[in-house]
Amino acid sequence: SVLTQPPSASGTPGQRVAISCSGSSSNIGSYTVNWYQQVPGMAPKLLMHTDKERPSGVPDRFSGSKSGTSASLAITGLQSDDEADYYCAAWDDSLNGYVFGTGTKVTVL
Amino acid sequence: QVQLVESGGDLVKPGGSLRLSCAASGFTFNDYYMTWVRQAPGKGLEWLSYISSSGTTIYYADSVRGRFTVSRDNARNSLYLQMNSLTAADTAVYFCARDGWGLAFDFWGHGTMVTVSS
Repeated sequence: SVLTQPPSASGTPGQRVAISCSGSSSNIGSYTVNWYQQVPGMAPKLLMHTDKERPSGVPDRFSGSKSGTSASLAITGLQSDDEADYYCAAWDDSLNGYVFGTGTKVTVL
Repeated sequence: QVQLVESGGDLVKPGGSLRLSCAASGFTFNDYYMTWVRQAPGKGLEWLSYISSSGTTIYYADSVRGRFTVSRDNARNSLYLQMNSLTAADTAVYFCARDGWGLAFDFWGHGTMVTVSS
């Protein structure tokens, strides 16, 4: 993928975890970033859209940000329910298509 | 409530074809762009195709362009994915999803499994 994420992240309950998403001028640098949460065996769920907007029902423990060609998803007050895979995504001009990040598995210790 | 239900997944031999369907309900289907995404076993999400609300604008990932064809029937509230020349690399769970905010996919189906094997 053209969007690079760390393969894993972890924290204890209550801690803060941040997931990075590194791209380029043809994707994150030019288009908004979305984040998806996927519990294994389930369909993905939209967690964040337009860089930092939470859909209805997503707790404010989740926040998104973007700077230049990188984006970040932060989870504060980590809970066991947050154990899942997280993917960033954006449109890419060079590919003329949508791209998902490599995915980050979040583990609650 | 919004529902997307995929169907059509099956075991198919290499070189074979399959047509997936996605039945939509609970929203005005012809107001929304739709997309197909797949996930190979143990792998990440891979975007495949995107179709405008009228069906006139379509995009494909390089990995499926020329082999897969997306279409929709707004009268039937249905989205389709015709898959030809299938290979083992196409083995995956296939999801349809609704574009709620300009390339942010807000509702997803449960997925349908496609296995390509001899």
